[in-house]
Amino acid sequence: DIQMTQSPSTLSASVGDRVTISCRASQSISSWLAWYQQKPGKAPNLLIHDASSLESGVPSRFSGSGSGTEFTLTISSLQPDDFATYYCQQYHTYWTFGQGTKVEIK
Amino acid sequence: EVQLVESGGGLVQPGGSLRLSCAASGFTFSGYGMNWVRQAPGKGLEWISYISSSSNTIYYADSVKGRFTISRDNAKNSLYLQMNSLRAEDTAVYYCARDERGSGSYLGYWGQGTLVTVSS
Repeated sequence: DIQMTQSPSTLSASVGDRVTISCRASQSISSWLAWYQQKPGKAPNLLIHDASSLESGVPSRFSGSGSGTEFTLTISSLQPDDFATYYCQQYHTYWTFGQGTKVEIK
Repeated sequence: EVQLVESGGGLVQPGGSLRLSCAASGFTFSGYGMNWVRQAPGKGLEWISYISSSSNTIYYADSVKGRFTISRDNAKNSLYLQMNSLRAEDTAVYYCARDERGSGSYLGYWGQGTLVTVSS
């Protein structure tokens, strides 16, 4: 099974900060990686697929990069609406989510 | 507008059974693979099952294999999850989600979820 490990688990940041979340796969998954945002009591929302393709309607301050086993989600300037939990997910072999990164207000 | 609406959750005793449904609208249901993903209270997301558009390909996570059965009825635009031999650790919000490429890929649309509580 492919394991996905996100870091950090929790991130404290302020509005306007540049935020980076890392995701590591236990084996190469090429670019078969998605990022989701989830707010309390809501379903996850797809932000990025294929490691770096931004979904329609997602603000351009979100970006994704990486391939193989190392991936990054970057928020260039954190906005109040961005405080949430973020998950990476591989779809190279079945589906596996990372454990999540909670972005909270500093 | 794509809509996925889950139903069928509730309180069930350990060892019991429950059948979840997901009603799809706003897209050609028969053209997409579908998934079930769950989230235990305060925990992360766990993929549990996938079914291809024509039901030819089905996968399960090890945690539910042999106990859960995924199925679909394309004529009714509906996805199902039959859950048997339920355990306390199956307590979670269950989401249905659409596979965007039909062959196992990212999940572009999600329902609002239905809560399953397994407790005596």
